[in-house]
Amino acid sequence: GQNIDQPTEMTATEGAIVQINCTYQTSGFNGLFWYQQHAGEAPTFLSYNVLDGLEEKGRFSSFLSRSKGYSYLLLKELQMKDSASYLCAVMDSNYQLIWGAGTKLIIKP
Amino acid sequence: NAGVTQTPKFQVLKTGQSMTLQCAQDMNHEYMSWYRQDPGMGLRLIHYSVGAGITDQGEVPNGYNVSRSTTEDFPLRLLSAAPSQTSVYFCASSYPTSGRVNTGELFFGEGSRLTVL
Repeated sequence: GQNIDQPTEMTATEGAIVQINCTYQTSGFNGLFWYQQHAGEAPTFLSYNVLDGLEEKGRFSSFLSRSKGYSYLLLKELQMKDSASYLCAVMDSNYQLIWGAGTKLIIKP
Repeated sequence: NAGVTQTPKFQVLKTGQSMTLQCAQDMNHEYMSWYRQDPGMGLRLIHYSVGAGITDQGEVPNGYNVSRSTTEDFPLRLLSAAPSQTSVYFCASSYPTSGRVNTGELFFGEGSRLTVL
């Protein structure tokens, strides 16, 4: 079966760094995606990895290891507005996204 | 440029009633999809479309119908609502690239919160 695993909830301090992990087992792989979803709102696209390595975009970076079925999202210089759920998704062999349940990130002052 | 527009934002139904969730996008995206989001679960794909006149089933299609008569519109019909269909529904679209109709970078509507009593 297809499975995406990520922690349910994480807590971090404003100004700090947090790493949100995602492991996956899917039928085929055509890229890994991270989305941000604030409470009561729609998901918004953050990042895309299809090759191994680190992709950096401002305060956010995403890493992929295809051989390990593993990715992480790294958030630096945390701000209160980063309090949200972070969704990991993998595009399978049918070019559809398989989604994890999301990691709720709580930022404390 | 409105992006993806969903209506209604909130709806309460009684078991057995039918209704249609509307979705429209003004970005000329070929790919459109419907997801449901339930607590503790990932987004689950209900139906999707890769262009006008073409639809296909996703992971959880039972109890739902779709049609795609135009590029802009992709309505989702609940045929006979059940309490198990209480959920938040999202419509999402994507632009094509490199021979794919779905890049994976989805543009979501604001969501429709449906309660079935």
